[in-house]
Amino acid sequence: NAGVMQNPRHLVRRRGQEARLRCSPMKGHSHVYWYRQLPEEGLKFMVYLQKENIIDESGMPKERFSAEFPKEGPSILRIQQVVRGDSAAYFCASSPLPETGAGKNIQYFGAGTRLSVL
Amino acid sequence: AQKITQTQPGMFVQEKEAVTLDCTYDTSDQSYGLFWYKQPSSGEMIFLIYQGSYDEQNATEGRYSLNFQKARKSANLVISASQLGDSAMYFCAMREPTDTNAGGTSYGKLTFGQGTILTVHP
Repeated sequence: NAGVMQNPRHLVRRRGQEARLRCSPMKGHSHVYWYRQLPEEGLKFMVYLQKENIIDESGMPKERFSAEFPKEGPSILRIQQVVRGDSAAYFCASSPLPETGAGKNIQYFGAGTRLSVL
Repeated sequence: AQKITQTQPGMFVQEKEAVTLDCTYDTSDQSYGLFWYKQPSSGEMIFLIYQGSYDEQNATEGRYSLNFQKARKSANLVISASQLGDSAMYFCAMREPTDTNAGGTSYGKLTFGQGTILTVHP
């Protein structure tokens, strides 16, 4: 049973280019979460999606960032016109159930995509 | 204000000994979840253990246990019989509600602490 798959593992972009990060959730999981980790810091929540729906995008920057989770295929985090400050590790997680407050619904993480902006 | 506080930037432990990694949290909600994840030098995030706010017993998963003190708002991770492979960064995280654009409440967000680097000496 494959875990959460992210690709590419490493991505190099020049300033102004677009970055597309892909995430395939674990089999049977229909909830996907994206987080960003800057060097020497913990992970910061970006967005929570179910199939074809954005549930919570409270952590997404207002400009240049977008996320989708189509009915078929992986979830995509898209960063347009990248800047050096976008350099970070981007993690995707998935879970099988809708999130509740104290329920044991675990988010399982992929290995991350390391984005470097030159 | 910090929602999740890990006050130990680095910890050292001798192989086969136990170690406690501290985590305190701040929330006004009654329903929440607390998590610990391990991040080795290879970079992936590995789930270790979970504690729900209504759970009456401390969670245990193999060599990992969570010392949950609700009144003190602490959720310390205890690793027993440390192994060299335990050397890694450890993150405490809390699930908390956020208001969605649609006017509802989402529990999808995990808030992470700054992490503790654990080094196990032979």
